[in-house]
Amino acid sequence: GAVVSQHPSRVICKSGTSVKIECRSLDFQATTMFWYRQFPKQSLMLMATSNEGSKATYEQGVEKDKFLINHASLTLSTLTVTSAHPEDSSFYICSAKLPMSNQPQHFGDGTRLSIL
Amino acid sequence: QQQVKQSPQSLIVQKGGISIINCAYENTAFDYFPWYQQFPGKGPALLIAIRPDVSEKKEGRFTISFNKSAKQFSLHIMDSQPGDSATYFCAASKGEAGTALIFGKGTTLSVSS
Repeated sequence: GAVVSQHPSRVICKSGTSVKIECRSLDFQATTMFWYRQFPKQSLMLMATSNEGSKATYEQGVEKDKFLINHASLTLSTLTVTSAHPEDSSFYICSAKLPMSNQPQHFGDGTRLSIL
Repeated sequence: QQQVKQSPQSLIVQKGGISIINCAYENTAFDYFPWYQQFPGKGPALLIAIRPDVSEKKEGRFTISFNKSAKQFSLHIMDSQPGDSATYFCAASKGEAGTALIFGKGTTLSVSS
């Protein structure tokens, strides 16, 4: 149980395009999802907290107009990297929190984004 | 400001040995401390977690030791196996499990057979 699915697993696109990454909780409803960014051999850095039906909360230094987050349903959050550039290339990982209190986050398998 | 400091950056252990990874935190408001295991190209998977009200928690070959006064906690992997070779992250958060996590920089563990 508690499976989180991310799609796509890998995407390569040209500079200037926008890329959408989906994060789905497959067998539970997630009122809260988190988006992290991980550079090669680096730690996970929290980008934003996504709450269903409300605006995402972004961490300091994360451009909300650059990284658009939509959490339109209890099982789906999307991250759109707008007008992507090579410096946006990274491993993006989402996680979802079970609705019951005091339950840990469950992570997706990440999306490798490469901008040419 | 790095809120969770992890060491060592990399670790090589012989099969059957004990792997020890250490973390230190600064924010005394943190009260949930999980350890995650990550294989290349995959997301992190929760291994074991602890709260400050206990000094040690054991699950199978994995043990967390927690020192509240020193603001330090460590992961011990007993009888390390080649399959344990992965990157391990400590993390911390405030409040209940499931809130936003602050991760350490990670430790790459290699267990030689």
